[in-house]
Amino acid sequence: AQKITQTQPGMFVQEKEAVTLDCTYDTSDQSYGLFWYKQPSSGEMIFLIYQGSYDEQNATEGRYSLNFQKARKSANLVISASQLGDSAMYFCAMRITGGGNKLTFGTGTQLKVEL
Amino acid sequence: NAGVTQTPKFQVLKTGQSMTLQCAQDMNHEYMSWYRQDPGMGLRLIHYSVGAGITDQGEVPNGYNVSRSTTEDFPLRLLSAAPSQTSVYFCASSGRTGGAVNTEAFFGQGTRLTVV
Repeated sequence: AQKITQTQPGMFVQEKEAVTLDCTYDTSDQSYGLFWYKQPSSGEMIFLIYQGSYDEQNATEGRYSLNFQKARKSANLVISASQLGDSAMYFCAMRITGGGNKLTFGTGTQLKVEL
Repeated sequence: NAGVTQTPKFQVLKTGQSMTLQCAQDMNHEYMSWYRQDPGMGLRLIHYSVGAGITDQGEVPNGYNVSRSTTEDFPLRLLSAAPSQTSVYFCASSGRTGGAVNTEAFFGQGTRLTVV
């Protein structure tokens, strides 16, 4: 079974600063993907970034980057130059290759960006 | 671009009533799944499907049924609603490119269900 752990229930960051949201995972599978989703107060799930277990480079998408440390089983999300619109709940998730569309989610981190 | 459409957006049920949450996608995706989101617990997988006619249970399937007669639709049925099923329900779909599932899963807007 897979497990995702997000140990930060809530985080605060000042506008324009960078912030790291932690995610550790546990699986015995060798081939998997790691995801980050953003859920604003309106409730929709917004895909941010993906990292495959065999990808050698850390994934980046605009202001989002994923700090993937395979040996430590961590997949932290880094948001650079935080904006007020980044205030939301952030979920880390995992999918095992060959497992179809089955995602295992962490419990989320509530990020608040302050002026 | 409709993407993944869930209906209804809100629903209040009485204990013991049954209902169907609808999910439709127009992207010809093979993979569809249902999740429930409860406070402090993230999203948990209820049922999933890897294609028309093929479904399987996820982490929390009890009290729910699914079927997938077409590629587009994946309804979730609550057989006899209980207060413990009060939650926000999300439907998601993914396609495939070549032999691999695409990296992005598309989510519907969610259905907020209250059972009283």
